[in-house]
Amino acid sequence: DVKVTQSSRYLVKRTGEKVFLECVQDMDHENMFWYRQDPGLGLRLIYFSYDVKMKEKGDIPEGYSVSREKKERFSLILESASTNQTSMYLCASSFPGALNTEAFFGQGTRLTVV
Amino acid sequence: TQLLEQSPQFLSIQEGENLTVYCNSSSVFSSLQWYRQEPGEGPVLLVTVVTGGEVKKLKRLTFQFGDARKDSSLHITAAQPGDTGLYLCAPDRGGQNFVFGPGTRLSVLP
Repeated sequence: DVKVTQSSRYLVKRTGEKVFLECVQDMDHENMFWYRQDPGLGLRLIYFSYDVKMKEKGDIPEGYSVSREKKERFSLILESASTNQTSMYLCASSFPGALNTEAFFGQGTRLTVV
Repeated sequence: TQLLEQSPQFLSIQEGENLTVYCNSSSVFSSLQWYRQEPGEGPVLLVTVVTGGEVKKLKRLTFQFGDARKDSSLHITAAQPGDTGLYLCAPDRGGQNFVFGPGTRLSVLP
C-alpha cells in the first residue's frame, strides 16, 4: 500500500517558534508538494520540489522554507511561527512529467499557533 | 493562472437522494481529475477524465467531461453517508504543481 506519511496529526506551537513539518513517501516519487488548506480558500500551494535539493515557490511561500535532502523526505519549515499560519498542512507526492499522474496525499497536520 | 470554480460550495442532503456537483473554468483542460477528501484525511483520487464528452462511472458516481473540455460534473446516485466529504477538481498538469478548485463540501445525513 503506497504511503505518504506526515510526522504529526496535530501540533500546537507558540508564536515565534521554529516549526518543522516532516513528510516521507515510499513510492520513489520525484515530485513532492506542500499545501495549506483553509476554509473558503481551498488548497494553496506553498512549495514544491522536482528532485533532491531542488525547490520551487508555490503561490504562498512567504514565511515558509523547505528542505529536500533525500528523495523520500520533504520538510516544511516555519522560521518564526505566527498565528496566521494556523492551518491544515498537506503534503503530496507524484511521479513527474506524464499526464494522468496522480497526487498522493498524507493525512495532514493540523497546526495551531498560539 | 487557471481559475477553477466549483458549485455548489456546500451541499447537505438525505441518504438516498441524488446530487450533481460542477467544476468550471474559462480555460480548456487537457484532462481533469476529481479527488475526494474525507474528514480528517488527505484527498484521494477518484477518476481522471481525458476526452471531451467522456463519461466514467465508479459505482454510484458518474463523472462527465464537457465537450469543450472546460467543465466537468460529478453525479452521485442514491447518496450514502460514506459519500460525505470535500470533492475537489484539479486540471491535469502532467505531474507538475497540482492546482485544485475550492471544492464542494457534501454532507449526507442518515
